[in-house]
Amino acid sequence: DTEVTQTPKHLVMGMTNKKSLKCEQHMGHRAMYWYKQKAKKPPELMFVYSYEKLSINESVPSRFSPECPNSSLLNLHLHALQPEDSALYLCASSQDSAGNYGYTFGSGTRLTVV
Amino acid sequence: AQSVTQPDIHITVSEGASLELRCNYSYGATPYLFWYVQSPGQGLQLLLKYFSGDTLVQGIKGFEAEFKRSQSSFNLRKPSVHWSDAAEYFCAVGAGGGSYIPTFGRGTSLIVHP
Repeated sequence: DTEVTQTPKHLVMGMTNKKSLKCEQHMGHRAMYWYKQKAKKPPELMFVYSYEKLSINESVPSRFSPECPNSSLLNLHLHALQPEDSALYLCASSQDSAGNYGYTFGSGTRLTVV
Repeated sequence: AQSVTQPDIHITVSEGASLELRCNYSYGATPYLFWYVQSPGQGLQLLLKYFSGDTLVQGIKGFEAEFKRSQSSFNLRKPSVHWSDAAEYFCAVGAGGGSYIPTFGRGTSLIVHP
């Protein structure tokens, strides 16, 4: 299995809702990442988990809450989002925390906040 | 800190023509270099990567890239473009040595005319 699987593919949520994005990989990768991507822009790093521990938080607002239940799963909990949070949310994984072998990306969750 | 420049926002080629996408980086030592492709509404896929050794790197889908230290460049090439190659292409540079967060360029949009 050489894939990163993200669910759901599309999500529409109101500003008072609570929802979660899920990411799963079975490649034995020990680092996992959340990126946010706006249209026509490169992906922006949000969080990095290395060996199931949060190692980087790129000053992301607290309405985004990551969770890594085990080495194969990564969640992103969403609460009280703003319309400007609408974007493509990408999960990625890499063999080790050095990340120098490149990332494997999921196909993303297209989030719309109304 | 490393940086990467993709000078072309859009590139238009005819199907069957050759392709070269430009990428210039800034980093004091030998960088880790990557090219990713993103089809509309999808995640990023790693095309190829360079760490060391042979400066001409072969990737998937018939792509290759050449590392030129003297020009601080890592240009992506393909001898004959197919309509399915139309996508966004991102160059990324990592510092290596445990600094595992790559810096992405702004991307180049490839348009393929029949």
